[in-house]
Amino acid sequence: AQSVTQPDIHITVSEGASLELRCNYSYGATPYLFWYVQSPGQGLQLLLKYFSGDTLVQGIKGFEAEFKRSQSSFNLRKPSVHWSDAAEYFCAVVTFSGGYNKLIFGAGTRLAVHP
Amino acid sequence: NAGVTQTPKFQVLKTGQSMTLQCAQDMNHNSMYWYRQDPGMGLRLIYYSASEGTTDKGEVPNGYNVSRLNKREFSLRLESAAPSQTSVYFCASRGTGGVYGYTFGSGTRLTVV
Repeated sequence: AQSVTQPDIHITVSEGASLELRCNYSYGATPYLFWYVQSPGQGLQLLLKYFSGDTLVQGIKGFEAEFKRSQSSFNLRKPSVHWSDAAEYFCAVVTFSGGYNKLIFGAGTRLAVHP
Repeated sequence: NAGVTQTPKFQVLKTGQSMTLQCAQDMNHNSMYWYRQDPGMGLRLIYYSASEGTTDKGEVPNGYNVSRLNKREFSLRLESAAPSQTSVYFCASRGTGGVYGYTFGSGTRLTVV
């Protein structure tokens, strides 16, 4: 079955430090991958997506992610974290079942940023 | 503003009570989805509707029913609420022409006591 694993439940970084959030997927075909961010009490905002082509994708708010097929990974990175980046981050993969398109999420990584 | 609107934003129910969560989108999207979010479990798909008139079960459908009233509206009903259904519920929609373009509502926080 298709799945998404985010190995880190909580991560704490200092403001200005670099960030990498890990995501591994399990899917037989070429995956369509997403990263979403959720601020406390808010809905989900799309950070970036990968469908094909260049394996390094740029998103909003200075985030980028790299698709590595050999490692089944789609890790999210940011070179310098801001206090406003504190939020929960979700990796997701689109699956196709019975002709229908569904979005499957990982469990999320909660990011805390120290001043 | 175009998007997905969920009502209510907050709700407290007693065990055994029923209620319907409403979701409407104004983007002319064909597909709509209901997810629940629980700590440490991410978002799990409850039901989805690929198009008007069709609905199908997701990962965790037990205890829920849905209605795709028209192209705009997709409601989620709890017939007899249980404490295990305490969660944050998100509705989402997606247009045709590709796998991208999921838009999420702001969520309904439901507590069952």
